[in-house]
Amino acid sequence: SAVISQKPSRDICQRGTSLTIQCQVDSQVTMMFWYRQQPGQSLTLIATANQGSEATYESGFVIDKFPISRPNLTFSTLTVSNMSPEDSSIYLCSVATGGDEKLFFGSGTQLSVL
Amino acid sequence: GEDVEQSLFLSVREGDSSVINCTYTDSSSTYLYWYKQEPGAGLQLLTYIFSNMDMKQDQRLTVLLNKKDKHLSLRIADTQTGDSAIYFCAASNSNSGYALNFGKGTSLLVTP
Repeated sequence: SAVISQKPSRDICQRGTSLTIQCQVDSQVTMMFWYRQQPGQSLTLIATANQGSEATYESGFVIDKFPISRPNLTFSTLTVSNMSPEDSSIYLCSVATGGDEKLFFGSGTQLSVL
Repeated sequence: GEDVEQSLFLSVREGDSSVINCTYTDSSSTYLYWYKQEPGAGLQLLTYIFSNMDMKQDQRLTVLLNKKDKHLSLRIADTQTGDSAIYFCAASNSNSGYALNFGKGTSLLVTP
């Protein structure tokens, strides 16, 4: 399995600011994803982080609001831009290792926007 | 898109078996997963099953898949208080490769 370090683990932010969340994996992985878990809800896929190219966003999510970087096979960032209270959620990084279909998750970033 | 449905709550007594059920709509889902989420924590992959299997056992966990009915279940034998958590069923998305569609989660409460 992959060991995924995500930081910060939690943050409280002011409306209108931006927060960048980092995801570091202990080994090279083929696929990295960012999910959002709103309070009391299930997980929703935000985007697939592609190494060396623009991320692939799911319906309802746009690059201007959630810019994503993936400079190499072990690291990705998600930025939540111009935050509003509706962005208060847990944001989770996940990775798929090559050769099987297992998807592993980081411990998440609990974001509260005031 | 894919719909994954689960019952929201389950309460069992310590030592009993727990059965958490899930249905999904995408018949082309290749893999089906069970994740566990404890309060304030991320998701822990418990087990998964390939769509051409009908059963998988891993220690206290048994996964049953009825592909015809698109029904998945997770049985936890000898349930312990430490098993109290939210359990998410997830199905691989045929359009997005490894990306998963999740159910809303079943909150399992184990009472002494």
